Amino acid sequence: SAVISQKPSRDICQRGTSLTIQCQVDSQVTMMFWYRQQPGQSLTLIATANQGSEATYESGFVIDKFPISRPNLTFSTLTVSNMSPEDSSIYLCSVFSQGTVPDTQYFGPGTRLTVL
Amino acid sequence: QKEVEQNSGPLSVPEGAIASLNCTYSDRGSQSFFWYRQYSGKSPELIMSIYSNGDKEDGRFTAQLNKASQYVSLLIRDSQPSDSATYLCAVKRSWGKLQFGAGTQVVVTP
Repeated sequence: SAVISQKPSRDICQRGTSLTIQCQVDSQVTMMFWYRQQPGQSLTLIATANQGSEATYESGFVIDKFPISRPNLTFSTLTVSNMSPEDSSIYLCSVFSQGTVPDTQYFGPGTRLTVL
Repeated sequence: QKEVEQNSGPLSVPEGAIASLNCTYSDRGSQSFFWYRQYSGKSPELIMSIYSNGDKEDGRFTAQLNKASQYVSLLIRDSQPSDSATYLCAVKRSWGKLQFGAGTQVVVTP
């Protein structure tokens, strides 16, 4: 399976500020996915990031609030803009495996965000 | 109707017993199904994937799929305290996206 790292692992931010989360993969992947997990909830897909094109956002998520960059096949960033306490969540990136089960998704360790 | 439904639990299971987790999905065209385990404060960890009707076994875990009934389940045999976690059922949508259920919390009691 792919090895995925995220930075920062956690952060505490003030209302109205922005935070950029980085996701690094140890192999080249076509698609990267960004998920949010609010406290006590399951995972919700925010957007799909493809290298060389605009990210595709799910219903309820907009680019102005969650801009995404995908400069190459191993790296992506998610920015949480103009944060409010409701943005307090774990943010996870994920990729498809490159092994024998090609459509399996693996997750990074997550970024735990607290907004005060 | 939620796209992927699971009982939230908690499901309390004596150590050594079988834990049975259920998941139903609404999209009859779904082809790929996954079970993830998530310990508190950690990211989800894939434990099983299943694509064909029937059973798939991997160690103490067995996934069962019935596409006609739109039902997928996970059995954990010989449950151990280390199996205490939240188990997430996920269904693959278009373009590789995963739709997750709410998760079932499993508590294995010594």
